[in-house]
Amino acid sequence: GDSVTQMEGPVTLSEEAFLTINCTYTATGYPSLFWYVQYPGEGLQLLLKATKADDKGSNKGFEATYRKETTSFHLEKGSVQVSDSAVYFCALSIGFQKLVFGTGTRLLVSP
Amino acid sequence: NAGVTQTPKFQVLKTGQSMTLQCAQDMNHEYMSWYRQDPGMGLRLIHYSVGAGITDQGEVPNGYNVSRSTTEDFPLRLLSAAPSQTSVYFCASRITGTTNEKLFFGSGTQLSVL
Repeated sequence: GDSVTQMEGPVTLSEEAFLTINCTYTATGYPSLFWYVQYPGEGLQLLLKATKADDKGSNKGFEATYRKETTSFHLEKGSVQVSDSAVYFCALSIGFQKLVFGTGTRLLVSP
Repeated sequence: NAGVTQTPKFQVLKTGQSMTLQCAQDMNHEYMSWYRQDPGMGLRLIHYSVGAGITDQGEVPNGYNVSRSTTEDFPLRLLSAAPSQTSVYFCASRITGTTNEKLFFGSGTQLSVL
């Protein structure tokens, strides 16, 4: 079945460090791929998306490229801030109904 | 514009008790859904609704009931709570016909069943 696998956390970084959170997927069709972010005490928010192979999604300094050949959608940011501390979820969607989430990766950024 | 509002934020129940988790949205979204979030499991869909009077099961519906009498509200009922239902519950909504990137999430209800 369709699934998303992402690296376990927590990921602990110092401010201005480079961030990578790995995400790979398995899907029977042609999924759209997403990264959601959950800040403490809040619901999930869409961070970025990519709808087809080789698309790059970007927002707030974060980027992820849809790699069909490696079935991956890794999240990257060149210089993290304390305010980026949150839980990040990779997800895929096929059609209008189905949304499959990864297990989430907690990011902790220290000053 | 409040978005998606969930109440309560925290709840502790004893095994066998019943309760209703409330979800309301003020965006006139036809589609509403409930997810549960468990450590190591990600978010899993419990039930969803594409409009008033219409509900359907998601991935993990057992032990939960829903109804949709109005566009705004989509309550989730636990008729006889079990420890396995200890989780964080999220309600989400969007306009029917839009893709899931348009989902708006509430801030969650943390439920503990003892």
